[in-house]
Amino acid sequence: GESVGLHLPTLSVQEGDNSIINCAYSNSASDYFIWYKQESGKGPQFIIDIRSNMDKRQGQRVTVLLNKTVKHLSLQIAATQPGDSAVYFCAESWRDDKIIFGKGTRLHILP
Amino acid sequence: DGGITQSPKYLFRKEGQNVTLSCEQNLNHDAMYWYRQDPGQGLRLIYYSQIVNDFQKGDIAEGYSVSREKKESFPLTVTSAQKNPTAFYLCASSASGTGGYEQYFGPGTRLTVT
Repeated sequence: GESVGLHLPTLSVQEGDNSIINCAYSNSASDYFIWYKQESGKGPQFIIDIRSNMDKRQGQRVTVLLNKTVKHLSLQIAATQPGDSAVYFCAESWRDDKIIFGKGTRLHILP
Repeated sequence: DGGITQSPKYLFRKEGQNVTLSCEQNLNHDAMYWYRQDPGQGLRLIYYSQIVNDFQKGDIAEGYSVSREKKESFPLTVTSAQKNPTAFYLCASSASGTGGYEQYFGPGTRLTVT
């Protein structure tokens, strides 16, 4: 069936550097994508979303890029801080259906 | 403050007992969801409700039951039929269940069954 996946299960980044977390999706009909951040023992927290009629969206220190040609989604975090340590999930939805979550990537910040 | 609350944060039960997890939202959202998360895993959908008095099975509904008698409440019962109930349970809500809307999550309930 259709699914959302991630290229890397764990990403280690030096504090202050930029982080890039990648996600591949397989359903070309997906029209809405979301990135969530989940800290240990807590519920996922919304970071940023993007609709399929856009290819880039920026928030505070975060940017989401959507490449529909290769069905790829990425989350860029600028100037990574210790508080960015968490598991990041991408999610997709299409038409009148529920959101499908990927397995997640753990972001580890090196001092 | 608007948001989603889940209680309790930690729950311990003996095998063979049913247990009900609470989820309440004051965001006036139509849709509510229950997910299960196992260590190092993503979220798996148990049940969801797009409107009061209606709900649908998700991907792993066996051994679980829900009700949606009020817009703000969506309790989940983990029955003794659930083979491996120990997990982290997350409740979420969204403005609409028709797709294209972010889901807001509660803090989760960690259930341990021994």
